[in-house]
Amino acid sequence: AQTVTQSQPEMSVQEAETVTLSCTYDTSENNYYLFWYKQPPSRQMILVIRQEAYKQQNATENRFSVNFQKAAKSFSLKISDSQLGDTAMYFCAFIDSNYQLIWGAGTKLIIKP
Amino acid sequence: KAGVTQTPRYLIKTRGQQVTLSCSPISGHRSVSWYQQTPGQGLQFLFEYFSETQRNKGNFPGRFSGRQFSNSRSEMNVSTLELGDSALYLCASSLGVEPNYEQYFGPGTRLTVT
Repeated sequence: AQTVTQSQPEMSVQEAETVTLSCTYDTSENNYYLFWYKQPPSRQMILVIRQEAYKQQNATENRFSVNFQKAAKSFSLKISDSQLGDTAMYFCAFIDSNYQLIWGAGTKLIIKP
Repeated sequence: KAGVTQTPRYLIKTRGQQVTLSCSPISGHRSVSWYQQTPGQGLQFLFEYFSETQRNKGNFPGRFSGRQFSNSRSEMNVSTLELGDSALYLCASSLGVEPNYEQYFGPGTRLTVT
């Protein structure tokens, strides 16, 4: 069965620090897509970053970057220079040929002033 | 482009009633997926529609059904509501074809069953 595991239920860091959120997944497919989504207290789910499994280069979006280790089935999210507005639930997810997003349980990230 | 819209945003229903939720995807998107989010179960996939056809279905009872119209708008129906159906229902749209699988979410419909 395809699964996504986020082992950190909650994390907190000081503003301007760097934080890394962990995610591991399990799939037998070779072609799939990985995502990090953010859900702030307002509840709107927002796409943060995506990674294609066939690409070796790690994706980056401004302060957000991933460390994608395909063999280890690991997909961590690094947030640099964290800001108060980064406070949210962060979900790791992947999609394959079944067109279904498989979600992790989420990590609650708190940025402290 | 306008984002994904969901109506209504909040809904209070009584056990045994039925409810219909609506989702309008981003223009040009042909795939619409529905999710149920609860504190206890997290995000659970309900179903996905692509060009009016259900392409995938999660593990929910038959009381949960959906459909998609030719303009890609989608509706989700829950019949014979139970207290456990209280949740945030999220709709997401996508182009739905490789490699454009990323999904964009609406604000959700908060359903409370009393």
